[in-house]
Amino acid sequence: QKEVEQDPGPLSVPEGAIVSLNCTYSNSAFQYFMWYRQYSRKGPELLMYTYSSGNKEDGRFTAQVDKSSKYISLFIRDSQPSDSATYLCAPLSGGYNKLIFGAGTRLAVHP
Amino acid sequence: DAGVTQSPTHLIKTRGQHVTLRCSPISGHKSVSWYQQVLGQGPQFIFQYYEKEERGRGNFPDRFSARQFPNYSSELNVNALLLGDSALYLCASSLSGVSSYNEQFFGPGTRLTVL
Repeated sequence: QKEVEQDPGPLSVPEGAIVSLNCTYSNSAFQYFMWYRQYSRKGPELLMYTYSSGNKEDGRFTAQVDKSSKYISLFIRDSQPSDSATYLCAPLSGGYNKLIFGAGTRLAVHP
Repeated sequence: DAGVTQSPTHLIKTRGQHVTLRCSPISGHKSVSWYQQVLGQGPQFIFQYYEKEERGRGNFPDRFSARQFPNYSSELNVNALLLGDSALYLCASSLSGVSSYNEQFFGPGTRLTVL
């Protein structure tokens, strides 16, 4: 079993839709949970992160962590074509710098 | 300010050869981590270096090695290349990351193709 499971998609939605991206993980010791966005032929860039359980909102993006069910979510409101990218969830493992990435979900937002 | 830079951008090698990939972290950052991203998968942790010392190692064979220089730049070396080593190699830098959370900033990667 992988430490982090993420549906690779692809996910195709119309502009303006609400997008829900999800991951599950197995290690209950994870405390920090990151969401990275990766455009084609680029390195990942940090979108947002949460610490422990709860919600965090940043503009059109909301990250949610439920540690009891080991479930991580990212919601994108009013999706735009510029949001088309691969979204990677990544809990942070012990030592503070080891990111455990999911497979990434490819999102396409069409006008 | 310049971000994380990596060189070369692309590289084609044949099986059995050796390769060296280079990374320059953001100015002031002392920690460098290396990740391997195979096509269609998420990045996988290879190494973390902080203050020129190895602080973490992922599940990779001994053919993979790395080092960090006094200016905090880093090299990743891979010996006896296999077809399965074909991937995007990503370097990430952070201020520290050994005692508390520090954001990791990724470079654009080096795309290695092994024929």
